[in-house]
Amino acid sequence: KQEVTQIPAALSVPEGENLVLNCSFTDSAIYNLQWFRQDPGKGLTSLLLIQSSQREQTSGRLNASLDKSSGRSTLYIAASQPGDSATYLCAVRNSGGSNYKLTFGKGTLLTVNP
Amino acid sequence: DAGVIQSPRHEVTEMGQEVTLRCKPISGHDYLFWYRQTMMRGLELLIYFNNNVPIDDSGMPEDRFSAKMPNASFSTLKIQPSEPRDSAVYFCASRQGYQETQYFGPGTRLLVL
Repeated sequence: KQEVTQIPAALSVPEGENLVLNCSFTDSAIYNLQWFRQDPGKGLTSLLLIQSSQREQTSGRLNASLDKSSGRSTLYIAASQPGDSATYLCAVRNSGGSNYKLTFGKGTLLTVNP
Repeated sequence: DAGVIQSPRHEVTEMGQEVTLRCKPISGHDYLFWYRQTMMRGLELLIYFNNNVPIDDSGMPEDRFSAKMPNASFSTLKIQPSEPRDSAVYFCASRQGYQETQYFGPGTRLLVL
């Protein structure tokens, strides 16, 4: 059974700092991995998706990397801003068949202080 | 498009009552997912549909939970009878077959007293 762990559970940084969020998964047979953002009282918004054959994806100040063999992914946020404050979740989709189930980590609550 | 629409946004009910949560997916999306989020367990998939047909309901906790999708634009998740441990935020999400991204609704916050 796939299990996804995110460390740390919470992180507080001053504005402008670069930061890294971590995600690990137990079964390396994944189809892809996604990073989501969740704002309080709202649903999830997809930030980046990395296919199992890829090593990284970039969108603006965000960079996500994937090391499938070691079961790890990182989300790098450059020059953090107060607007980046949210909970960040990673989710994996296992390979095999046509099952579209995503397994989520519990998230990292990020606070960027002005 | 208005995105995924869920109703109600908040529901407070007493133990033993029936609860019905509703979802309207994004037009044209052929997959619909129901999730539950709690502090203890995080975000868990309950069930998903493809073209209105349930594909995987292995996450449905027990017989008290049921989900239907009578047409491409509407789905319900019903809990009967409700229990305090069902208190959670329930999310609906949809996606288009050839895309990976799921689009989430704002969620329904359920409190069972």
